[in-house]
Amino acid sequence: NAGVMQNPRHLVRRRGQEARLRCSPMKGHSHVYWYRQLPEEGLKFMVYLQKENIIDESGMPKERFSAEFPKEGPSILRIQQVVRGDSAAYFCASSPGTPNQPQHFGDGTRLSIL
Amino acid sequence: SQQGEEDPQALSIQEGENATMNCSYKTSINNLQWYRQNSGRGLVHLILIRSNEREKHSGRLRVTLDTSKKSSSLLITASRAADTASYFCATDARGNNRLAFGKGNQVVVIP
Repeated sequence: NAGVMQNPRHLVRRRGQEARLRCSPMKGHSHVYWYRQLPEEGLKFMVYLQKENIIDESGMPKERFSAEFPKEGPSILRIQQVVRGDSAAYFCASSPGTPNQPQHFGDGTRLSIL
Repeated sequence: SQQGEEDPQALSIQEGENATMNCSYKTSINNLQWYRQNSGRGLVHLILIRSNEREKHSGRLRVTLDTSKKSSSLLITASRAADTASYFCATDARGNNRLAFGKGNQVVVIP
């Protein structure tokens, strides 16, 4: 399967724990995007990364959230000290990075905070 | 920040009928894209239309863009039960690949 792969599909954490969400982009894509979707709402942009570089993190909360896309391995979205309000579906997308290209999405990670 | 707004929010139609959804946005854009999301899944790209284009077709889908009115429409012709999904428009304001999504249209096609 050469599509965008996200894992885990479902993640349950207790308040105060850390959540790590992983995303492997589509083959040949070097740009990764993370979005958050609350129930009954559209996706909200969080962060845009290239290998070893954060291009745009203007949608990321200032505290507790971080993202990386290392030279080797998947992109990671990390949420520290999770709170109930972090419960959402987190989607990763990838693209070649050139303008006017569609983004290809994974099936998301559904994060539930107890 | 830029955000698409779809209208109507929910649509229920009989199989074989056409479904039309509209999307409006607030600032100038580089391109506008439509995506489909089935329940519990990720988004699937349908059509990208650039700011200098007015209409685009893909199979049973037709998208129009009116930059003077800052609006777009998605038409699904001869709908099928498999078209049941949520449909989102998303705008790329500066060609920087940062997409701003609307809240989505839920479409139910009754067999």
